[in-house]
Amino acid sequence: SAVISQKPSRDICQRGTSLTIQCQVDSQVTMMFWYRQQPGQSLTLIATANQGSEATYESGFVIDKFPISRPNLTFSTLTVSNMSPEDSSIYLCSVERSGRGEQYFGPGTRLTVT
Amino acid sequence: TQLLEQSPQFLSIQEGENLTVYCNSSSVFSSLQWYRQEPGEGPVLLVTVVTGGEVKKLKRLTFQFGDARKDSSLHITAAQPGDTGLYLCAGAPGGTYKYIFGTGTRLKVLA
Repeated sequence: SAVISQKPSRDICQRGTSLTIQCQVDSQVTMMFWYRQQPGQSLTLIATANQGSEATYESGFVIDKFPISRPNLTFSTLTVSNMSPEDSSIYLCSVERSGRGEQYFGPGTRLTVT
Repeated sequence: TQLLEQSPQFLSIQEGENLTVYCNSSSVFSSLQWYRQEPGEGPVLLVTVVTGGEVKKLKRLTFQFGDARKDSSLHITAAQPGDTGLYLCAGAPGGTYKYIFGTGTRLKVLA
């Protein structure tokens, strides 16, 4: 397993501003992911955070809106830029260690944009 | 878009009842996971199934992977209030690393 922490746990932000979410893992991992979970919904993969190279974004998500950093194998950040109320969601980071798709998730960051 | 459809979407049952949640797709998965998520927390891995037809048991929970590795089911026996939560199946179609999550089943077990 893995112990994953996220900061902040929640925030209320004004539209037009940006928020950076941090994800810290207790050990080195290769695969790290960022997901969005809208209220009452399932998880949608935003991007794979690659160490030492640009993140790989899924359809519908772009780097200008969701820039991601991965400076080392235990840490990543996701920025939600120029926020609008539609960005109100829970943002989750996860890591995959086993090679069989078994993911371990952080507790999530609950973002509300007003 | 490749989807993992779960049914039912919502389920409210009395303590002690049995239930089954289904996860269906048109894609083949090399492995499939089930997670449970409680409010304010991230999903927690329950089980991974890998082989077509595989059955795994975790106390009162029984997981089955379809023979064609396109579908899975989760059966809970004698449900308890502690089983309440959002159940999610997930997998990477075609053996890729891009994981997709099912549409989710929200279970509420009443005491």
